[in-house]
Amino acid sequence: AQSVTQPDIHITVSEGASLELRCNYSYGATPYLFWYVQSPGQGLQLLLKYFSGDTLVQGIKGFEAEFKRSQSSFNLRKPSVHWSDAAEYFCAVGSWLTNAGKSTFGDGTTLTVKP
Amino acid sequence: EPEVTQTPSHQVTQMGQEVILRCVPISNHLYFYWYRQILGQKVEFLVSFYNNEISEKSEIFDDQFSVERPDGSNFTLKIRSTKLEDSAMYFCASTRAGGELFFGEGSRLTVL
Repeated sequence: AQSVTQPDIHITVSEGASLELRCNYSYGATPYLFWYVQSPGQGLQLLLKYFSGDTLVQGIKGFEAEFKRSQSSFNLRKPSVHWSDAAEYFCAVGSWLTNAGKSTFGDGTTLTVKP
Repeated sequence: EPEVTQTPSHQVTQMGQEVILRCVPISNHLYFYWYRQILGQKVEFLVSFYNNEISEKSEIFDDQFSVERPDGSNFTLKIRSTKLEDSAMYFCASTRAGGELFFGEGSRLTVL
């Protein structure tokens, strides 16, 4: 069964500092990988996705993520964080083999941005 | 840009009452999903629907839950007799051919 681990429950960074949110997945074949952002009381916004090809993917709002098969990781990065990036971030894994739209989500990482 | 729409945005109900949450997926999408997020917790898969039938459901999706696509546009989630623990945000999602999900803004259900 597929699973996702986000080891950091809560991260605090200063505005302008770099950010890396960790995500490890477990899946038997090539996964679909996603990062979503959720502001309080809001829905899920897709930041970026990986299906195949280039392992470094660019997303919206200046985010990028790198797929590392050998480490089963898909970490999210941003070189300079803005106060508006404060939110909950979810990593998710989906399967292209069966029921490709069924995604398994991690527990989420709450990002706080200090002025 | 096409989007998934959900109604109501918030519903408050008494325990034991029936609730129907409605979703209008993106028009050319073929696969439909319901996910649930209990406050402060992660997003959990409930059910997927394709070709007018359930393709997969989680253990959360017991006999109290049902889904329907009554016409060409709506996709509904019904909870027959709500329990306190059904209080959550319910997200509808759709996709055309698998892979990237397009989520609605969610329907917050509060069971008193």
